[in-house]
Amino acid sequence: DTAVSQTPKYLVTQMGNDKSIKCEQNLGHDTMYWYKQDSKKFLKIMFSYNNKELIINETVPNRFSPKSPDKAHLNLHINSLELGDSAVYFCASSPPTGSGRSPLHFGNGTRLTVT
Amino acid sequence: GESVGLHLPTLSVQEGDNSIINCAYSNSASDYFIWYKQESGKGPQFIIDIRSNMDKRQGQRVTVLLNKTVKHLSLQIAATQPGDSAVYFCAENLGSNYKLTFGKGTLLTVNP
Repeated sequence: DTAVSQTPKYLVTQMGNDKSIKCEQNLGHDTMYWYKQDSKKFLKIMFSYNNKELIINETVPNRFSPKSPDKAHLNLHINSLELGDSAVYFCASSPPTGSGRSPLHFGNGTRLTVT
Repeated sequence: GESVGLHLPTLSVQEGDNSIINCAYSNSASDYFIWYKQESGKGPQFIIDIRSNMDKRQGQRVTVLLNKTVKHLSLQIAATQPGDSAVYFCAENLGSNYKLTFGKGTLLTVNP
């Protein structure tokens, strides 16, 4: 009954490969996110979708492409993986609120290691 | 351990003591703040939030204080327990529901 679930939990791949990370939330939230956490634990937003529409696209290489087939799913596809892409990637979701303020609910992360 | 090489601010306390974790946020226009706890191998977990029209908010064993004058946020944990050991992040939300900006994180270690 995990609220925000990501697969896979671990992903080890070689440079130049293409890989995808999947995320699903069963909370009924309208907004989903991808965050990247580097080796120093710094968390930075990458993308956000609201009702399948892209609303935040931070300065991320265009090798990263999010896709939201429906509002419960947000996948992240990465082309031509590089060593610097090694990190933990977190999916999150948040509910709609009239005040526009609500905490994010995070998944448990996907640890990507590029060799 | 996981903290090696991280160079995070660290706080080490004895079990049963109170802990205070501090955070300086960046934008004076931010109007919503959240504290998260992240245990090893897990995602950030919501602890408590506060809006900018408040100075203090209490939860179960936790209190968040907001000082807008100096752009400072603190998290107080009463009677700290070994299970409280984790990395704690503050996050600020500026003008939009959709973009939380996270602080650097503080590693809390509780000694039994």
